[in-house]
Amino acid sequence: DAKTTQPTSMDCAEGRAANLPCNHSTISGNEYVYWYRQIHSQGPQYIIHGLKNNETNEMASLIITEDRKSSTLILPHATLRDTAVYYCIVRGDNYGQNFVFGPGTRLSVLP
Amino acid sequence: ETGVTQSPTHLIKTRGQQVTLRCSSQSGHNTVSWYQQALGQGPQFIFQYYREEENGRGNFPPRFSGLQFPNYSSELNVNALELDDSALYLCASSSTGAFLAKNIQYFGAGTRLSVL
Repeated sequence: DAKTTQPTSMDCAEGRAANLPCNHSTISGNEYVYWYRQIHSQGPQYIIHGLKNNETNEMASLIITEDRKSSTLILPHATLRDTAVYYCIVRGDNYGQNFVFGPGTRLSVLP
Repeated sequence: ETGVTQSPTHLIKTRGQQVTLRCSSQSGHNTVSWYQQALGQGPQFIFQYYREEENGRGNFPPRFSGLQFPNYSSELNVNALELDDSALYLCASSSTGAFLAKNIQYFGAGTRLSVL
């Protein structure tokens, strides 16, 4: 079972910031938080990951709470092409670990 | 574009048949993972191959098997197809090394399998 819980769906106006929350209250000390997204009928696309510090790249920012029990993915200026299912995943660094996907959050960016 | 290619893109089989799906990993990657994604659900881990050996397996029966070749490409084989095997099959490549948790998996576009 997935170790994360996310809202089923969210809407965001085009040009505004999209803030996608994720709860991972049972996260272990060696587990990272990863975010992927899946645009309809395509393979999941890596967005960003982090351990405890906030992270930013060209796609998004990841804010992880100090207790690491939750995080927020921020798309600073959402576009229609950001409409997708967003998956929050926690995974450890042990040999052979893989991603356990939940149902994710369906983000709809509205014009 | 992740550099992970899967073939074929679509496939139709009948119940009881066997199928082979193929995956070419991204250049420099030595690990391949396979996932099954049923309609409306998140991907489910099938197994992973590293150094041509199975390196972890999800909750899938033995009729799901795989291979990894010396060039790190991989095959997923499914025997005795069932209707519930209809799904999108995803391949992901990564590089297993000293910092495993930072080894991001890059996914191909998938193979859509329909079992009639």
